[in-house]
Amino acid sequence: DIQMTQSPSSLSASVGDRVTITCRSSHNIYTYLNWFQQKPGKAPKLLIYIASSLQSGVPSRFSGSGSGTDFTLTISSLQPEDFATYYCQQSFGTPRTFGPGTKVDIK
Amino acid sequence: EMQLVESGGGLVQPGGSLRLSCAAAGFTFSSYWMHWVRQAPGKGLVWVSRIKSDGSSTSYADSVKGRFTISRDNAKNTLYLQMNSLRAEDTAVYYCAREEIIVISDAGDYNYYYYMDVWGKGTTVTVSS
Repeated sequence: DIQMTQSPSSLSASVGDRVTITCRSSHNIYTYLNWFQQKPGKAPKLLIYIASSLQSGVPSRFSGSGSGTDFTLTISSLQPEDFATYYCQQSFGTPRTFGPGTKVDIK
Repeated sequence: EMQLVESGGGLVQPGGSLRLSCAAAGFTFSSYWMHWVRQAPGKGLVWVSRIKSDGSSTSYADSVKGRFTISRDNAKNTLYLQMNSLRAEDTAVYYCAREEIIVISDAGDYNYYYYMDVWGKGTTVTVSS
């Protein structure tokens, strides 16, 4: 199975900050990498697919990059509604494994 | 509006069974692969199972293999998860999700990409005596 890791596991940031979350896979997954946002008590929401494609309706302050084994999710200017947990997920193979999550909270 | 609505969760004793349902609306259900993903209290997302669009192929996480069965009724636009021999560690919110598949041509090769773009709100399963 492909293992996914994320760093950091949590971070504190202020509104307006630039935030970067890193995801790493145990195998080369090319660009088969998706990013999700989850708020407490809510279902996950797709933000980024194929490593860098922005899902319809997602603000342009979110961006993704990377290929192979190393990927990044960037929020260019953190907004109050962005405080949430972020998960990466590989779709190169089955099982569709998720990273452990990165919780972004208010500094 | 595309929508997935899970139901069937509840409290069950260890060793018991439950059947979850996921009703789809607003899209052509029979065209999509579907997944179940779960989240234990305070924990992260864990993939559980997948079924292809026509039901011809299924796949399971090792932790549920032999105990859970995914199925679908395309005539009823509904996905199911039959859960048997339930354990305390199966306690979680269970989400169903649609998986979009897109094909991108790259230098003559065709690459299939997959992403879960529509999710239900989840149904809670608690396994406890």
